[in-house]
Amino acid sequence: DTEVTQTPKHLVMGMTNKKSLKCEQHMGHRAMYWYKQKAKKPPELMFVYSYEKLSINESVPSRFSPECPNSSLLNLHLHALQPEDSALYLCASSQAWVAGSYEQYFGPGTRLTVT
Amino acid sequence: DAKTTQPNSMESNEEEPVHLPCNHSTISGTDYIHWYRQLPSQGPEYVIHGLTSNVNNRMASLAIAEDRKSSTLILHRATLRDAAVYYCTHSGGSNYKLTFGKGTLLTVNP
Repeated sequence: DTEVTQTPKHLVMGMTNKKSLKCEQHMGHRAMYWYKQKAKKPPELMFVYSYEKLSINESVPSRFSPECPNSSLLNLHLHALQPEDSALYLCASSQAWVAGSYEQYFGPGTRLTVT
Repeated sequence: DAKTTQPNSMESNEEEPVHLPCNHSTISGTDYIHWYRQLPSQGPEYVIHGLTSNVNNRMASLAIAEDRKSSTLILHRATLRDAAVYYCTHSGGSNYKLTFGKGTLLTVNP
């Protein structure tokens, strides 16, 4: 099973709401990632978790708060977002976060609209 | 971060081979070259990766130049399902991040 699942598929939220995006993989991967993709642009890395510890934060605003409760789950908590945060949020996983030699498996993404 | 140069778009006919080029002149000696593709309304999909030697898998072949500053993704027989944006990138050494460039939009004509 090489599947990464993400819920919800679509999310509409107001600027004062708090919501969470969820990501799950059962491949035994120890690295998990959040990417953000604006329309007609390439994905941009936001966070990397390695062995459930945050390894990379690409200077993401604090209104995005990642969490890795266990090796299979990755959450992205959202609070006080801005309309410009509307985008496709992609989760990915890989066997490990070393050497750049492992391929990443991506989920289908959550399409977020901030109103 | 990785810097790559790819054509903005390419066109192919169904059942013909497609050669997608990528320049990665800033690659370091220990970086792996990765290719991903993204079909419309889907997340990126891993295609192939390699270090120095040419690589083959069930999806494609990767030809890596001897100086490793460029590579070519080869789809041996394009199908309509191969229409996608193809991204090449490299990671490794002290920087394991995948940094996606603008990619090449491949159109496959029936």
